[in-house]
Amino acid sequence: GAVVSQHPSRVICKSGTSVKIECRSLDFQATTMFWYRQFPKKSLMLMATSNEGSKATYEQGVEKDKFLINHASLTLSTLTVTSAHPEDSSFYICSARFREGFSDTQYFGPGTRLTVL
Amino acid sequence: QQQVKQSPQSLIVQKGGISIINCAYENTAFDYFPWYQQFPGKGPALLIAIRPDVSEKKEGRFTISFNKSAKQFSLHIMDSQPGDSATYFCAASKGSQAGTALIFGKGTTLSVSS
Repeated sequence: GAVVSQHPSRVICKSGTSVKIECRSLDFQATTMFWYRQFPKKSLMLMATSNEGSKATYEQGVEKDKFLINHASLTLSTLTVTSAHPEDSSFYICSARFREGFSDTQYFGPGTRLTVL
Repeated sequence: QQQVKQSPQSLIVQKGGISIINCAYENTAFDYFPWYQQFPGKGPALLIAIRPDVSEKKEGRFTISFNKSAKQFSLHIMDSQPGDSATYFCAASKGSQAGTALIFGKGTTLSVSS
């Protein structure tokens, strides 16, 4: 099946530092990846759509200079939270678009728990 | 405006019973409707998905029923088990368009009592 990994699974950092989260499609190529944020007991909120080789498309209200997204290859997208603050603490989840024949769906990574002290 | 409305917010079902979660959507351009299961601290896992050209799809104990005219779709979990206790999200997208993100419902927390 289609597998998506994320690294790290957990990160704790000090306020003001930057944190990079990697999202990889392990057994397929993903021209499109998505980044979501999830608060406790809440639904997934789309942050941005990442297309390989082009600039990410950010959702309204998401600061692109704070949440830097790079999709440098067909199997890797990265999210960098710059100058992190405690309010950035959240569960960040990526997904990758998987297309095969008539099948077109998204598979999610296991998520990254970010805690900013 | 919430594009995908999901209910109920929480659900308690006895072991062996049927769990039913409902979703309604607004945008008639949506053409792909997946359901995801999420355990605490984990990413969502794709359970089952349907496109509007069929009214029902079954995979094991999980069935999606789809009503295009009412713009509604539902997930039925037959013979519910304690291991099914999780949060379930319905979603919708214009799947035929490249790079279109999923729009999620708010989720339903299912508890199956043993």
